[in-house]
Amino acid sequence: GDSVTQMEGPVTLSEEAFLTINCTYTATGYPSLFWYVQYPGEGLQLLLKATKADDKGSNKGFEATYRKETTSFHLEKGSVQVSDSAVYFCALSEGGYQKVTFGIGTKLQVIP
Amino acid sequence: EAQVTQNPRYLITVTGKKLTVTCSQNMNHEYMSWYRQDPGLGLRQIYYSMNVEVTDKGDVPEGYKVSRKEKRNFPLILESPSPNQTSLYFCASSLDMYSGNTIYFGEGSWLTVV
Repeated sequence: GDSVTQMEGPVTLSEEAFLTINCTYTATGYPSLFWYVQYPGEGLQLLLKATKADDKGSNKGFEATYRKETTSFHLEKGSVQVSDSAVYFCALSEGGYQKVTFGIGTKLQVIP
Repeated sequence: EAQVTQNPRYLITVTGKKLTVTCSQNMNHEYMSWYRQDPGLGLRQIYYSMNVEVTDKGDVPEGYKVSRKEKRNFPLILESPSPNQTSLYFCASSLDMYSGNTIYFGEGSWLTVV
């Protein structure tokens, strides 16, 4: 079945550092890929998405590129802020249906 | 404001005492679902509904029931809660069942079963 792999963390960075959170996936077809963010005490919010190979999703300074050859969708940001502290979930949806498979979530802590 | 509202947000209950977690969305979405979030396991889907009166099991449906009598509401029912159902629960909705549509999540309900 489909699966998403990401490290649990926590990832601790200083403010203005470069962020990479790795995400790899297993799917039988051509999934859509997502990053969701969960701020403390809140539900998940869609951060960005990509629906086909080589697409780049971007939002709020975050970027991720759909790499079919390496089955990856790594999240990057050039300069993190304290307000980026949250849990980040990589996810996929396959077959055109809204069945979403989530990774375990990576906790990011940004310190001043 | 577009939102998914779930209640209660926090609940401590005893084993075997039936409880219902309500979920309501104001976006006229067809598709709704329930997830549970556990450390090291991420989010796992419990049940989903493609439209009124249409529901189906997700990955971890055991011990749960749902109903979809109205488009806006999708309650989660625990008929006889057990301690292994202690978790953080999220209700979610999207326009329809097709992928690519944004999924909107509620703020979560912390459930503790003792």
